[in-house]
Amino acid sequence: DAKTTQPPSMDCAEGRAANLPCNHSTISGNEYVYWYRQIHSQGPQYIIHGLKNNETNEMASLIITEDRKSSTLILPHATLRDTAVYYCIVRVDAGNMLTFGGGTRLMVKP
Amino acid sequence: GAVVSQHPSRVICKSGTSVKIECRSLDFQATTMFWYRQFPKKSLMLMATSNEGSKATYEQGVEKDKFLINHASLTLSTLTVTSAHPEDSSFYICSARTWAGRGKLFFGSGTQLSVL
Repeated sequence: DAKTTQPPSMDCAEGRAANLPCNHSTISGNEYVYWYRQIHSQGPQYIIHGLKNNETNEMASLIITEDRKSSTLILPHATLRDTAVYYCIVRVDAGNMLTFGGGTRLMVKP
Repeated sequence: GAVVSQHPSRVICKSGTSVKIECRSLDFQATTMFWYRQFPKKSLMLMATSNEGSKATYEQGVEKDKFLINHASLTLSTLTVTSAHPEDSSFYICSARTWAGRGKLFFGSGTQLSVL
């Protein structure tokens, strides 16, 4: 699996957009980019995934660069409940086990 | 999305006792479940892959005789921590694979094990 690099922590003001970057410069052509988040003392929660095109769902948007070497998860209007550790994972088949890196600890502040 | 139920959410036990953690897929059949362990402020570490009807596959460094995994049905996998020691205190999380929605993984809510 391609390795990912994320900043260890970020702050965001409540109501503003949170933009979480992820570098995956060794990603292969058939690997997807997945985002999960983990709120304190809970299991990880699936957010979104994509291959090449940008994706949007009710939780977030995923922007993948044209060369696919990096991506950005966007929470359009962050709330206090979005405070969590966000994990960016690349995998051919996310139905198999996921390898978690360090993630980004997002702190949404009032 | 698919629901994975994990029980108990928190357990405290004495050293030397065994603890069983259950992981159930509530609205789908899970042929494969995964067990993770997480220490405070650390990321999730895969312990083993559980396949229904067959023996679990353990990651390197995980003692199979200490962490017994049983996946007897398509909706239930159990992890038993045998002869628990304080160093086994950790947050244990299960996940299950569904083929709905391109094979996403869904996670249980986790079990906080504290061994006294």
